Amino acid sequence: EAGVAQSPRYKIIEKRQSVAFWCNPISGHATLYWYQQILGQGPKLLIQFQNNGVVDDSQLPKDRFSAERLKGVDSTLKIQPAKLEDSAVYLCASSLDSPGAYEQYFGPGTRLLVL
Amino acid sequence: GQNIDQPTEMTATEGAIVQINCTYQTSGFNGLFWYQQHAGEAPTFLSYNVLDGLEEKGRFSSFLSRSKGYSYLLLKELQMKDSASYLCALAPGSYIPTFGRGTSLIVHP
Repeated sequence: EAGVAQSPRYKIIEKRQSVAFWCNPISGHATLYWYQQILGQGPKLLIQFQNNGVVDDSQLPKDRFSAERLKGVDSTLKIQPAKLEDSAVYLCASSLDSPGAYEQYFGPGTRLLVL
Repeated sequence: GQNIDQPTEMTATEGAIVQINCTYQTSGFNGLFWYQQHAGEAPTFLSYNVLDGLEEKGRFSSFLSRSKGYSYLLLKELQMKDSASYLCALAPGSYIPTFGRGTSLIVHP
């Protein structure tokens, strides 16, 4: 079974530029999550999708971050414009949409450096 | 809100046993997760405790005491490959984990 795929793996941009990350979850997983992990900290949830609907985006900085999952499968996360403090690893995770399906499967992450 | 506290770093010897503690303050939660994260890699699921007590899974065991606001992850027969960060996380009202900062475990020969 293929895991969660993310691209690109690494990205270096200058502040005020835009960047987009892509995630393809495990086939059949209805729920998709985007996390931000700053060096030395645990992952912080940015947004959760169930199919193509947003379940929780309370911690997404909506003035500069946006995310979509138009067809309920792949998802993109965009930052526009980027700030220095956005330097982090952006993790995508997915899980089954069934009672008791608590295990999340994480992708390898995209490492973003904002200069 | 939630407040999760773990030691920042621990060291242990190959073949030994190590216990990584996690204390928390929260108004309520469904369960407590432990995840393992090797440097430069994504977190991988280790355990999920809902009820108080010890759950064993091979060399790894996880314990939860809701009344004491306390959990620990026990690693037996340590191997070099166990060097990683161990993340304690709470699932407040759903299965979405809210992560602590993690404990960096260094296993040396």
